[in-house]
Amino acid sequence: GEDVEQSLFLSVREGDSSVINCTYTDSSSTYLYWYKQEPGAGLQLLTYIFSNMDMKQDQRLTVLLNKKDKHLSLRIADTQTGDSAIYFCAESPDSSNTGKLIFGQGTTLQVKP
Amino acid sequence: EAQVTQNPRYLITVTGKKLTVTCSQNMNHEYMSWYRQDPGLGLRQIYYSMNVEVTDKGDVPEGYKVSRKEKRNFPLILESPSPNQTSLYFCASSSPGTGNYGYTFGSGTRLTVV
Repeated sequence: GEDVEQSLFLSVREGDSSVINCTYTDSSSTYLYWYKQEPGAGLQLLTYIFSNMDMKQDQRLTVLLNKKDKHLSLRIADTQTGDSAIYFCAESPDSSNTGKLIFGQGTTLQVKP
Repeated sequence: EAQVTQNPRYLITVTGKKLTVTCSQNMNHEYMSWYRQDPGLGLRQIYYSMNVEVTDKGDVPEGYKVSRKEKRNFPLILESPSPNQTSLYFCASSSPGTGNYGYTFGSGTRLTVV
């Protein structure tokens, strides 16, 4: 069935790089997404990658996609305390175009000063 | 500003008292959806709507109703709330015409049923 798995917690020091990993099950997913949720707020779309890409870079964010292993990662360079949040990976497994996204459980990123 | 607006942000109610959580978007998005977020379970889809008058069940629809009479509004109705519906609820919208289903989320409604 459809499933997205993430580790639940990551702690890094300010200035280090953070790497958040995700595995998914549906190889037909066209787009894969990373969302950020700050305390008390909704989910904010950080970035997405099309399934025919291996990598996408956007300022401090780098997304890597390994389709063979169904593995997605989000690297945050020069991590800041403002990056502390929950990060959700999501896939769109929907060949019938219902628009459904399947979310992972979320990885809580703790950035220590 | 392009946004999804949910109301109320916080709600405490008693078991069995009908309630409605409103959701409105100003981006002319066709697709709207409700999710609930629970610790350890992530986000689970309750209902979704692909357009006006078209709604369908998500993964956890029991105890909920929705309607989509206008494109911009997608209210979530709990006819007889129970304590297991205590959760954080999110409305989201998107325009999936290109195949890119990136959602815009509302700020959430924290519901407590006592």
